[in-house]
Parts: sequence; C-alpha cells; structure tokens
Amino acid sequence: SQQGEEDPQALSIQEGENATMNCSYKTSINNLQWYRQNSGRGLVHLILIRSNEREKHSGRLRVTLDTSKKSSSLLITASRAADTASYFCATGYTGANSKLTFGKGITLSVRP
Amino acid sequence: DAGVIQSPRHEVTEMGQEVTLRCKPISGHNSLFWYRQTMMRGLELLIYFNNNVPIDDSGMPEDRFSAKMPNASFSTLKIQPSEPRDSAVYFCASSYFTGPYEQYFGPGTRLTVT
Repeated sequence: SQQGEEDPQALSIQEGENATMNCSYKTSINNLQWYRQNSGRGLVHLILIRSNEREKHSGRLRVTLDTSKKSSSLLITASRAADTASYFCATGYTGANSKLTFGKGITLSVRP
Repeated sequence: DAGVIQSPRHEVTEMGQEVTLRCKPISGHNSLFWYRQTMMRGLELLIYFNNNVPIDDSGMPEDRFSAKMPNASFSTLKIQPSEPRDSAVYFCASSYFTGPYEQYFGPGTRLTVT
C-alpha cells in the first residue's frame, strides 16, 4: 500500500510543550501534506512540502522531509489547547494525477 | 468564499432507501473528490473528478454507489439501496489544481442507515 503511516497513533501533552508527529511512506512522492481535523469537522490543509524541499515553516508549524528515509515530521511548538485535533499526513505521487493518499491520523490532546 | 458546501449535514435513513449527498465545490476549483471516513477504515477516497470528468472511481465500494458531476459547481453521490454498513461521514473536497495538491474539505455529511 502507498498509504502513509503516522506515528504515534495518539499523543497527549501539556499546553506550552512541543508536539512532534511522524509520517512514513513507501514510494517516491511529489509532495507530502499535513492536515488537521477537529472533532466533527472536515480536514483543513496545514502545509505542503515538495520532494525537493527539506524543511518548511508556517507560524508555529515546522515540517521536515527526509526522502532518503521516506519520512516526514510535523512539529507544533508552544502547543495550545486549541491544537487538540487529529492530524493526517497525505502523500501526492507523481503520475497519480490528483490523488492523495491519507494516513490513519494521529490524535493529539493538549491539556490546559 | 463560502468554502465547500455539503448537504445534508446529517441523514438518517432506513436500509434499502436511496440516499443522495450533494456537494458544491469552491468556485474556480478544477478537481472534486468524494471521501468516506469511518473509525475502522479511516479516510477512503471513493471517486474524483477533474474538470467534471470522472478520473478514478476505483474506491467506489459497490455498484450501489454512483457519483455525477453535471457541471463545475455541483456533484452528487448516490447510494441505492443503502445498507447499515454504509453508515459513515462522507466528505467532499475540491482543489484548484488537477494534480496532487492542496484539497479543501467540506464539513461532511453524517449518514446513518438503520
């Protein structure tokens, strides 16, 4: 399967701490994306990193990509209770047209 | 922009009934996707369209499922007849690009088949 796999499946941290989530995939990608899903809502796109990029920042988010290890990490710094959500990585493959392959998600709980 | 609009937000129906889910993508977007999300199977891509043309329907579980996109601003996903195992949250998403790029999701339709 080309599906990305997130690690850990669940993460619980204290407000103010950093949260690190990982994603691994199996085949060469065009890009890797991270999405957030709050309870009862649709997914929201957070950040996209292309296969020729190694690191990208957006506000309190930092994403890294290691194509040699076929893995990515999402770091949320200075977490807030509002960051409590499920986080999904999605991989886009060259030649796969518009299709993205989503992982099963990581449940992040930030305790106030 | 209103974002992706889905209707209804909740649907409860009896087994054997026809169900039609509706989606209005973001204006100007060229790709539209239908997903199904359950606890057991996670997020599954059912079908997607580029420029109103179905490109990949390999995720459609059975012939009971069908999807149409008659124009750039409207799509439907129909289940006929519905079964209890179809109970899930169905998401529609759209993307400006006809490639593997950012997708914008609607709020979803929670379908319960009794």
